[in-house]
Amino acid sequence: KNEVEQSPQNLTAQEGEFITINCSYSVGISALHWLQQHPGGGIVSLFMLSSGKKKHGRLIATINIQEKHSSLHITASHPRDSAVYICAVRSGPSTGNQFYFGTGTSLTVIP
Amino acid sequence: DSGVTQTPKHLITATGQRVTLRCSPRSGDLSVYWYQQSLDQGLQFLIQYYNGEERAKGNILERFSAQQFPDLHSELNLSSLELGDSALYFCASSGGASGRHEQYFGPGTRLTVT
Repeated sequence: KNEVEQSPQNLTAQEGEFITINCSYSVGISALHWLQQHPGGGIVSLFMLSSGKKKHGRLIATINIQEKHSSLHITASHPRDSAVYICAVRSGPSTGNQFYFGTGTSLTVIP
Repeated sequence: DSGVTQTPKHLITATGQRVTLRCSPRSGDLSVYWYQQSLDQGLQFLIQYYNGEERAKGNILERFSAQQFPDLHSELNLSSLELGDSALYFCASSGGASGRHEQYFGPGTRLTVT
């Protein structure tokens, strides 16, 4: 049983398209993180959310605590957005402050 | 550049051996997290230290241990290595203890056990 489920697993888009990646989780959380992993392996934290919505440039992340669901949106996608996007949740103290990771969404943006 | 450094970048060793991976956090960050990323299991949380104390423990095997030193750098010790321990090992740092702060990831150490 996976505590964090992401969809889709793979996504190919044309440059300029609007992209949505979804994340559902089954545990109580204190925070949700969206990470980006480049083909070379490096990991960058995009967002940390505990409620609501955040926006950085063309990236938007939302979370619905009641529904245990988060989405990462990329507007006006660009080939440099090609990467693996990983959703991670931090559980609360009652479950040992664990981190659980989704399996990632591999995004390819075609020029 | 995240400001988090990890050494070595690559490590090749034999089964049964012991290795030490080192992580220096971003200046001012008190928390260090260790993660393992393997092809079959994806990213897994191993352990978190905050200001020298263990804060949270994940899927860390008994053959593995970690510590955070007074200067806040951390070491992950892997012993009695098995082929299945081959993976990328990342450390990350953040300012707080709760996991509700942005994490900054190091470049990773690629461990190959032969």
